[in-house]
Amino acid sequence: EAGVTQSPTHLIKTRGQQATLRCSPISGHTSVYWYQQALGLGLQFLLWYDEGEERNRGNFPPRFSGRQFPNYSSELNVNALELEDSALYLCASLRDTSYEQYFGPGTRLTVT
Amino acid sequence: AQSVTQLDSQVPVFEEAPVELRCNYSSSVSVYLFWYVQYPNQGLQLLLKYLSGSTLVKGINGFEAEFNKSQTSFHLRKPSVHISDTAEYFCAVSDRGFKTIFGAGTRLFVKA
Repeated sequence: EAGVTQSPTHLIKTRGQQATLRCSPISGHTSVYWYQQALGLGLQFLLWYDEGEERNRGNFPPRFSGRQFPNYSSELNVNALELEDSALYLCASLRDTSYEQYFGPGTRLTVT
Repeated sequence: AQSVTQLDSQVPVFEEAPVELRCNYSSSVSVYLFWYVQYPNQGLQLLLKYLSGSTLVKGINGFEAEFNKSQTSFHLRKPSVHISDTAEYFCAVSDRGFKTIFGAGTRLFVKA
């Protein structure tokens, strides 16, 4: 069984630009979660998608957005990048029979 | 609302010594409990989970945790740690409704 994949591995952008991060869940998983892991801040919940719909979002500004495609893959978009957006962005998919989240390796976003 | 508190941000320990990483949670409903491990520059990997049944849960890499409902705790233990256990450990609680809250993490540092 292939795991959760994320692309790209690293992304370097300048302040004010837009970033797009991608996630493919494990086959059969319909829920995708996005987290931001900034240095020293633990995992901060960003967004939850299930069956193509946004189900919940964390305490982040609207410039953080995303979507889920019919094949359950997901995209996270960050507009008007700020320096403090530099972080590891983790995607996880959910096995709904056990509520266990399976994490991808992350995308390291650096904003200069 | 749920919350998770990991009582120690950093735990240094010598190789082959026992270790306990503490986790307390609060919730008004029944929950599922998880411990995840994150090695440097990687995503999170599930160590163990408590869904129901026996309160002593055994996971991978020799780790175990005990669910204590009266003390609302789910401490992680290992009787003898290895250098390779150096990582960040996250306690998480799910309200069985697909929402998972993560603790701030405990950095375990195993010294030779």
